[in-house]
Amino acid sequence: GDSVTQMEGPVTLSEEAFLTINCTYTATGYPSLFWYVQYPGEGLQLLLKATKADDKGSNKGFEATYRKETTSFHLEKGSVQVSDSAVYFCALSFKAAGNKLTFGGGTRVLVKP
Amino acid sequence: NAGVTQTPKFQVLKTGQSMTLQCAQDMNHEYMSWYRQDPGMGLRLIHYSVGAGITDQGEVPNGYNVSRSTTEDFPLRLLSAAPSQTSVYFCASSSPGELFFGEGSRLTVL
Repeated sequence: GDSVTQMEGPVTLSEEAFLTINCTYTATGYPSLFWYVQYPGEGLQLLLKATKADDKGSNKGFEATYRKETTSFHLEKGSVQVSDSAVYFCALSFKAAGNKLTFGGGTRVLVKP
Repeated sequence: NAGVTQTPKFQVLKTGQSMTLQCAQDMNHEYMSWYRQDPGMGLRLIHYSVGAGITDQGEVPNGYNVSRSTTEDFPLRLLSAAPSQTSVYFCASSSPGELFFGEGSRLTVL
């Protein structure tokens, strides 16, 4: 079946550091890819998405590029802030499967001042 | 601007007790779903519904029942709680391409 693999956390960074969270997927076909963010005590929010190969999703300084050849969708941010401390989830879905998402295990990021 | 509302936010049950987690959305979305979140396992789909009167099983449906009598509401029922159902539960509704999540319900089964 379909699956998403993320790097395990926690990832601890200093403010203004560069952040990368690796995400790879296994699926038959070409899914849509998503990054969701969960701030402490809250539900998940869509951070960015990409629906086809070579698409780049971006939001709030975060970027991720859909790489078909490496089946990856790595999340990056050039200069993190304390407010970026959260858990980040990579996910995929297929249009034919409606809105069902398959999630990775999540990566906790802690940014220290 | 309510979005997806879940109640209760916290609940402690004893093994064998029953309860219902409530979920309501005010965005007129047809699609709604329930996930559970466990450490290191991401979110796993329990049940989902593509519209009023229609429900289907997700990845981990055992021990849970759902119904969808209205577009707005999608309750999740635990008929006989087990310690393995200790988790954080998220309800979501969706428009094409994006899921909107509630704030979660933390359930502990002793």
